[in-house]
Amino acid sequence: ELKVEQNPLFLSMQEGKNYTIYCNYSTTSDRLYWYRQDPGKSLESLFVLLSNGAVKQEGRLMASLDTKARLSTLHITAAVHDLSATYFCAVDVTSGTYKYIFGTGTRLKVLA
Amino acid sequence: DTGVSQDPRHKITKRGQNVTFRCDPISEHNRLYWYRQTLGQGPEFLTYFQNEAQLEKSRLLSDRFSAERPKGSFSTLEIQRTEQGDSAMYLCASSLVVGRSTGELFFGEGSRLTVL
Repeated sequence: ELKVEQNPLFLSMQEGKNYTIYCNYSTTSDRLYWYRQDPGKSLESLFVLLSNGAVKQEGRLMASLDTKARLSTLHITAAVHDLSATYFCAVDVTSGTYKYIFGTGTRLKVLA
Repeated sequence: DTGVSQDPRHKITKRGQNVTFRCDPISEHNRLYWYRQTLGQGPEFLTYFQNEAQLEKSRLLSDRFSAERPKGSFSTLEIQRTEQGDSAMYLCASSLVVGRSTGELFFGEGSRLTVL
C-alpha cells in the first residue's frame, strides 16, 4: 500500500528565513502534487509535477520531484507571514490511475 | 463556472441517523473524488468516479458508506446509521483526465459532519 510521508509535521520559522519541506513516497509514480490548506478552508492547488526532475516555482515557493529517490521537496525562500498554512503533497498511486493519496501534511507557521 | 460546490456545508446529526452530502463538480470534469479529513490529518481517500462509473471504493470504508454519480454529473455520498467516528470534513474534488491533462484536483469547500 502506498505510503506518503511528510516532514516535518510542524514548522515554526521566522520571517525572512529559508526552509524545505520533504515528501517521501513508496510507489514508482512520477506524478506528484502540492496543495495548500488554510485553517477552516479547503485545499488549493499549488504545483503539479509530472516527471522526474520537474521543478516549478511560484513566488517564494519552489517544488521539485526526484522520482528515483521517491522524493519531492517544497522550498520556502525568505518566508513571509502569508505563507502560514498547512501544505500537503499528494501522489498518484500508479502513474496514470489518477488516484491520489495525500501525505500527513506540514503545518507551517511563519512568525513576524 | 464557479468551481466545485458542496451541500450542505455543515451537518449536525444524532448517532444512528442517515446523512447525505451532495457535490457538484466543475462541469467539464470527468473525474470526481470523495475524501474525508479529520482534524490535523491529511485527506483520506474514500472513492472516485470516472463519469458515472465508480472506479474504486476504499477498503477502509464500511458498508454504511455509499456514493453515486448518476449521469456522470453531480455525486452524492450517503452515510447510514452514523457513528461518532464518522465526524469529519467530507471533501469533494473534481478533475479532467484526458490526453495530457495534469489531473490536478479542484476541491470544494467541504461538508463538515458532526455526529452527537
